[in-house]
Amino acid sequence: QVQLRQSGPGLVKPSQTLSLTCAISGDSVSDNRAAWNWIRQSPSRGLEWLGRTYYRSKWYNDYAVSVKSRITINPDTSKNQFSLQLNSVTPEDTAVYYCARDDRAFTSTSCFDYWGQGTLVTVSS
Amino acid sequence: DIQMTQSPSSLSASLGDRVTITCRASQSISTYLNWYQQKPGKAPKLLIYAASTLQTGVPSRFSGSGSGTDFTLTISSLQPEDFATYYCQQCYSTPQTFGQGTKVEI
Repeated sequence: QVQLRQSGPGLVKPSQTLSLTCAISGDSVSDNRAAWNWIRQSPSRGLEWLGRTYYRSKWYNDYAVSVKSRITINPDTSKNQFSLQLNSVTPEDTAVYYCARDDRAFTSTSCFDYWGQGTLVTVSS
Repeated sequence: DIQMTQSPSSLSASLGDRVTITCRASQSISTYLNWYQQKPGKAPKLLIYAASTLQTGVPSRFSGSGSGTDFTLTISSLQPEDFATYYCQQCYSTPQTFGQGTKVEI
């Protein structure tokens, strides 16, 4: 059974960096079929895909244009986890952040089949 | 980006009702369409992928159909645990995008 367990602070000051980690059990971050995603949800923006990391003989990342200049997603194979860093946050980045697995990335059956529990991150001084 | 538009935004229904939710894509996405259910304070749960394939463990009262730009999610007989918000999501191109949600209320 795959489980994704998120960790990280729930309060970040404006202009600082939001950092979250997603620990994986029951699968490997190096799985060459899967992609590992970060998605956020807010009342104003709804569900918004932020980016992903995946391994296909080497590591790749894709990011949403809306955050591309501020986001980094990194895999950590030693701990079987992946992380999100979002720089220069503003109150508009306040949202619930989720990690999610896409087990069949880049196929016709691509979908987010397992999700983390969600982390409410508030950007406020 | 591909825009996903759901209708209605909310609906009221009774136990045992047949419920249909529509999702329209701003361009053709073949059958690269997934449906999720979300309850308050919880992460979305995958119900249907590839437009019509039921995820393992999801009750058979849920079904999906459609291709191209128009898709539907149907609940054949609404149960108490089905009161939730439902989202469609396209995985045809990056960025994957979601509909705005349909809240199913009593």
